[in-house]
Amino acid sequence: DAGVIQSPRHEVTEMGQEVTLRCKPISGHNSLFWYRQTMMRGLELLIYFNNNVPIDDSGMPEDRFSAKMPNASFSTLKIQPSEPRDSAVYFCASSLAGTEKLFFGSGTQLSVL
Amino acid sequence: SQQGEEDPQALSIQEGENATMNCSYKTSINNLQWYRQNSGRGLVHLILIRSNEREKHSGRLRVTLDTSKKSSSLLITASRAADTASYFCATDAAGTYKYIFGTGTRLKVLA
Repeated sequence: DAGVIQSPRHEVTEMGQEVTLRCKPISGHNSLFWYRQTMMRGLELLIYFNNNVPIDDSGMPEDRFSAKMPNASFSTLKIQPSEPRDSAVYFCASSLAGTEKLFFGSGTQLSVL
Repeated sequence: SQQGEEDPQALSIQEGENATMNCSYKTSINNLQWYRQNSGRGLVHLILIRSNEREKHSGRLRVTLDTSKKSSSLLITASRAADTASYFCATDAAGTYKYIFGTGTRLKVLA
C-alpha cells in the first residue's frame, strides 16, 4: 500500500488566497484526521471523520477553515481566505477503527505570505 | 489545549546509552501511544499501551503506564544515531477516537 498521500507537498500563497489541501487515506481505513503542527502550538487536532462523517471539528480554528470527506478515499482541508498565521505543516492521518494506530502522511508545508 | 505533556523537551545522549522520556496527561484514557517524527516527515507509530496494561516491550522500546499518576514513560535502550528524532505521546479521551498529541521530546543521539 502507498500509505497516506497528501498533496501538495509544499504550498506558498499570498494572504487572502484560497488554499486547498488534499488527502488520500489508506484503502480500507475508515477514520481520517487532520492535524496542524507549528513550533508554538505543537500538533493540534483540527477535525476527524469516521466513515466519512465529521465527528469532532472543535479544533478548527475559525470559520475560514473547512474540511470535507466526500468519499472514503478522499478528503480536503480548505482555508479561505488564508492568513500568515495559518503557516504550518498540515498532516492527514488515517486509521482502521478498532486498531487505534494512526498512519500519517508526509504533510503539506503551507506558507502564507 | 493539549492532553499530553512530555519531558524533557530536549535530550542529548551518547550512542549506546539509554534514553527515557516521560508523558503526563489530564483525563482518563483508553490507551496511550508513542510516535516518532524524523525532521520534515510525518509521525510513525511506535507502540500502544492500553489503560489496563502497566508495561509493554517492543524491541529496544519499553513503555510503562501509571494511570493513577496519569503518566507514561518511553525507554529506548542502547540508543543509536538513527534514533535521533522527536518523540510524542498520544492519548484518546476515554470513549472517543480523538487522539491528542503531547508537546514532544527532541532526542539527539551522538555518534
